[in-house]
Amino acid sequence: DIQMTQSPSSLSASVGDRVTITCRASQSISSYLNWYQQKPGKAPKLLIYAASGLQSGVPSRFSGSGSGTDFTLTISSLQPEDFATYYCQQTYSTPYTFGQGTKLEIK
Amino acid sequence: EVQLVESGGGLVQPGGSLRLSCAASGFTFSTYTMNWVRQAPGKGLEWVSYISSGSTTIYYADSVKGRFTISRDNAKNSLYLQMNSLRAEDTAMYYCAREVEVPAAYFYYYYMDVWGKGTTVTVSS
Repeated sequence: DIQMTQSPSSLSASVGDRVTITCRASQSISSYLNWYQQKPGKAPKLLIYAASGLQSGVPSRFSGSGSGTDFTLTISSLQPEDFATYYCQQTYSTPYTFGQGTKLEIK
Repeated sequence: EVQLVESGGGLVQPGGSLRLSCAASGFTFSTYTMNWVRQAPGKGLEWVSYISSGSTTIYYADSVKGRFTISRDNAKNSLYLQMNSLRAEDTAMYYCAREVEVPAAYFYYYYMDVWGKGTTVTVSS
């Protein structure tokens, strides 16, 4: 199985900050990497697909990059509604696996 | 509106069974691969199972293989998860999610673009 490791596990930041979350795969997954946002009590929401594709309706302050084993999710200017938990997911092969999550909190 | 609505969750004793349903609307259900994903209380997301549009390809996580069965009825726009021999560690919110294929140069990328709100399964005596 492909292991996905996110860092950091938690992060405190302020509105307006630029934030980067990293996801590393245990083997090369090309660009089969997606990012989701989850708020408490809600279902996950797709932000980025295929490493860098911005899902329709998602603000342009979200961006993704990377290929192979190392990927990043960047929020260019944090907004109050961005405080949530973020997960990466590989769909290179089953079992699809998620990272452990990064909880983004208000500083 | 594209929508997925899960149902069938509840409290069940260890060793018991439960059947989850996911009703799809607002899109052509029969053309999409579907997945079940779960989340234990306070934990991260765990992929559970996959079924292709025509039910010809099915995958399971090792943690549920042999105990859970995924199925679908395209005529009823519905996805199912039959869960048998339930264990305390199966306690979770269960989400159904639509999978999209996006063509790239020589292959496809896959991602889950629509999720239901989830149904809660609690396994406890």
